[in-house]
Amino acid sequence: NAGVTQTPKFRVLKTGQSMTLLCAQDMNHEYMYWYRQDPGMGLRLIHYSVGEGTTAKGEVPDGYNVSRLKKQNFLLGLESAAPSQTSVYFCASSYPGSVFTDTQYFGPGTRLTVL
Amino acid sequence: KQEVTQIPAALSVPEGENLVLNCSFTDSAIYNLQWFRQDPGKGLTSLLLIQSSQREQTSGRLNASLDKSSGRSTLYIAASQPGDSATYLCAVLGMEYGNKLVFGAGTILRVKS
Repeated sequence: NAGVTQTPKFRVLKTGQSMTLLCAQDMNHEYMYWYRQDPGMGLRLIHYSVGEGTTAKGEVPDGYNVSRLKKQNFLLGLESAAPSQTSVYFCASSYPGSVFTDTQYFGPGTRLTVL
Repeated sequence: KQEVTQIPAALSVPEGENLVLNCSFTDSAIYNLQWFRQDPGKGLTSLLLIQSSQREQTSGRLNASLDKSSGRSTLYIAASQPGDSATYLCAVLGMEYGNKLVFGAGTILRVKS
């Protein structure tokens, strides 16, 4: 049981390049999330999905796209990377039981630098 | 809009001390409040979850309290150890964005041996 895994762990891009971050979970969770974490700030939600084939915008969605073609995978795409997207990206998943006990399980993160 | 604030931003204590980390939030309409631990270069690990109807939760040397009416939570760590050194994040689960976790910026804790 690997939990939530993210690929790659590190990446350096030049401005204007594109890339896709992959998140996979083996816990059969319905909900998946992409966050970014910047120095001195808490995690901020980029996009999320409440099930296979569904996606929705979070708090900071501009410049990112996502897809959830399979239940276990959630992809985050940057079409034209900008220096402002330099950040650590975390994927998380959760099972929609009771919202009062709902917690999210996090991957180890991807450190992205855009030059 | 929900905002979560954590005080202090950083804390350095000698081994063995009891310590308190503080978290405050602006909107009391929450489902739960959670404390996470983050080690350098790693993801987040859930430590404690307090449901909105509960007042506190305990796990080993950790005790978290919740006062929803005043918008405050505290994480108490007893007899701190160097292995407790990490960043501690507070987050509240609200109703935005399909049940969104709103995070504080965290408290960086260093326990000196």
